[in-house]
Formats: sequence, structure tokens, C-alpha cells
Amino acid sequence: GDSVTQMEGPVTLSEEAFLTINCTYTATGYPSLFWYVQYPGEGLQLLLKATKADDKGSNKGFEATYRKETTSFHLEKGSVQVSDSAVYFCALRRGGSGNTPLVFGKGTRLSVIA
Amino acid sequence: DTEVTQTPKHLVMGMTNKKSLKCEQHMGHRAMYWYKQKAKKPPELMFVYSYEKLSINESVPSRFSPECPNSSLLNLHLHALQPEDSALYLCASSLRREGGWTEAFFGQGTRLTVV
Repeated sequence: GDSVTQMEGPVTLSEEAFLTINCTYTATGYPSLFWYVQYPGEGLQLLLKATKADDKGSNKGFEATYRKETTSFHLEKGSVQVSDSAVYFCALRRGGSGNTPLVFGKGTRLSVIA
Repeated sequence: DTEVTQTPKHLVMGMTNKKSLKCEQHMGHRAMYWYKQKAKKPPELMFVYSYEKLSINESVPSRFSPECPNSSLLNLHLHALQPEDSALYLCASSLRREGGWTEAFFGQGTRLTVV
């Protein structure tokens, strides 16, 4: 079945450091890929998305590129801030007309220290 | 209105109580979802409604009973829960577009504690 594998955390970085959170997937067909962020005590917010190969999603300084050849969707940010401390989930939804559910990775906790 | 609103935000209930969680969206989304999230885990899908009809039930115990009275509302009725059911319950919705369904938009969740 479909699956998402994320790098294990927690990840601790100093402010202004470069961030990479790795995400790889297994899926049939051409899934859409997403990064969600969850701040403490809150629900999930969509951070960015990509719906086809070579698409780059970007938002709030975060970027991720849909790489079909490596089945990856790594999240990057050039300079993290304390306010970026949260849990980040990589997810996919299989393509097609059916309402297939999101498949989530296990999440990566990021802590940014001043 | 671009929000999914869940009420209440916090709920403490006894094992013999009956309570309901509510979820509302006015974005015209025709798919709505219930997820359960335990601490330090990803959300687990419980139920999916598409066009107000239950389309997916992920083998959830019958003490959880979903209801979708119209395209904007989703309820989760709770009865005779166990302490291990304590979790964050998340509601989400999606829009149907040509070619498929969009990403899910999540509410802030209801933090449920069963005592």
C-alpha cells in the first residue's frame, strides 16, 4: 500500500540555520504530495503542496520539490526562526477521482533555539 | 470563510457519559473527515463522508458514531468511551475539483479526556 517515510526527529537547530527534513514515498500512480505543520496545541495547517513531478511548492520561506525519480519531497528552509518550532508531517494523496484518504508520515519535531 | 470550526475545544467526559463533537465549514467542501491523533503520533483516519454519505469507516468501535446532517456540518457522537480514547480529535474537509479532491483543511481539534 501507499506509505510515507520521514526522517526521525527531534531536530534541534539554532536560529538562522538551514533546515532539511527528508521525506520519501511509495505509491501507485501519481500522488499529490503535501507538507503540513502542527504548532503546539493546534490542528494541522497546510504548509505547501505539489501535484505533479518537478512541481515546487513554497510558502513562508519553506520549499519542497516533487522528485518522481527519487520518490522524494524533502522540505527545506534557508534560515529557520524560533517561531518555526513545530511538528512537520509529510503526506500524500493518491491521484484519481476517488476520495482516497491522506497518508501521513510519522512526523518530525523541529525545535529552533535562539 | 476559509475555516473549519470545531467545538468544543476541550472536553472532559466520564465513561458513562454521552457527548458530541461538532465540526462546521462554509467553504462548499463536499468531503469531510474525522481523525484521531494521539500524542507524538500522526493523525489516524476514522471516517470519511463524501457528498454527505459515509464512504470510509476505518473499523472504528461503535462507541464512536458519526453523523453528517448537511454539507456544512459533521458530528461525532460519543458514548461509553474508554480512557484510551483520550486524544485530539480533528475534523477536516476537502473540495472536489476536476481531476480529483484537494488537500484537506483541518480544524483546530477537540482535546478529549475520558475519566
